[in-house]
Parts: sequence; C-alpha cells; structure tokens
Amino acid sequence: NAGVTQTPKFQVLKTGQSMTLQCAQDMNHEYMSWYRQDPGMGLRLIHYSVGAGITDQGEVPNGYNVSRSTTEDFPLRLLSAAPSQTSVYFCASRTTGRGNTEAFFGQGTRLTVV
Amino acid sequence: GENVEQHPSTLSVQEGDSAVIKCTYSDSASNYFPWYKQELGKRPQLIIDIRSNVGEKKDQRIAVTLNKTAKHFSLHITETQPEDSAVYFCAASMGNTDKLIFGTGTRLQVFP
Repeated sequence: NAGVTQTPKFQVLKTGQSMTLQCAQDMNHEYMSWYRQDPGMGLRLIHYSVGAGITDQGEVPNGYNVSRSTTEDFPLRLLSAAPSQTSVYFCASRTTGRGNTEAFFGQGTRLTVV
Repeated sequence: GENVEQHPSTLSVQEGDSAVIKCTYSDSASNYFPWYKQELGKRPQLIIDIRSNVGEKKDQRIAVTLNKTAKHFSLHITETQPEDSAVYFCAASMGNTDKLIFGTGTRLQVFP
C-alpha cells in the first residue's frame, strides 16, 4: 500500500513551458485534490475532484488544468508556466461524506519556473 | 467566501509550557476539522481531528476544542517538547462540497 505517490519530486521549467504533475493513490479514495504551498500563505487549494469524471475549482485555479479519468489518478497540468507558479505542490486524497477522514498527502513537488 | 483564518502565525514557547493555536471558519455547514503538523521539508501529517458533533477531543498531550456557535476551533499542546517544533495547519471541510480549506499555518518553536 503506497498511499499517495507524486512525481516528479523536483522540476525546473522555463517560462512558457508546459508540464504535468502526476498523482496516484491506491486507497480507493473518492476525493483527490491539489494544493500549492507558498511561504506565509499556507496550503491553497487549486483543484479538487470528488470522483472519476468530476472536477471543480479551488481557491487558486488560474493557470492549471486537471482531469480525473480514473479513481486512482489526478494529474495537474500547467499549460504555460509562469514565475508566479514557482511553489511546492502537494496532492492529497481522502474519503468524504459520512466517512469524512484525514487527507493523505504525497511527498510534494518543488517546482521552479525561471 | 469560504475561508479559514489561523492565529498566531508564529509562536515561541519554553519547553514544558503550553501552546494554543486558534482558527475560525466561515462556512456554517463545515463538519470536519483536522489539524496537521508539517516538519521542515516533509509532507503535512494529521495529528488530531474533530467532527462537528463533538466539542472536545484529546490525544495524550494534544487536544482540540470546537465552538460551532462562534465558528472557532483551537489546538492545545501541553508539556511542549523540542520535537513539537514544526508548522501546524488547521483546516475545515466545507459542508456542501467536502473540499478541505486550510489556514495559513503557525510556526511553533519550542526552546529547551
């Protein structure tokens, strides 16, 4: 049972490049989400999904796209990277509804846009 | 809008003292309130959580209290130890969507 797996761990992009951050979980969680963490700003929700085929925007969605074709995977796409997207990104998954439980986080991706 | 406010942003205590971190939330339908600890360079990890039908929960040196009327919840750490030094985040699950919104974090430093 690997939990939540994120790749890559580190990435440097040039302004305007695109990339996809991968996230996979093996706990059969309905809910998956992406956060970015910046100094002094906590964990801000980018996008989230409550099941396959369902996604919605969080607090800071601009510049990011997501899709959820399977229960296990929830990739985050940066279409045209900007320096403002330099951050640490965390993927998290949890159960919801009556079984509302803790969010399990991946190990994080440190992204630098130059 | 939906938000969670957390105070203080930094907290320094002497080993053995107590530490209290406070959060307020905006969505009255919120029903789940976890607290996470994040050590330097690591992922956030759950330390305690509370649901809206409970007013207080305790786990050894850690306790959480919830005041639904005031939309406040707090983390209490007693007999602090240097290994408690970390960043602590509160969060609230938004009732209609289950999305988890986090506070801005508190950096706790425990001095020996």
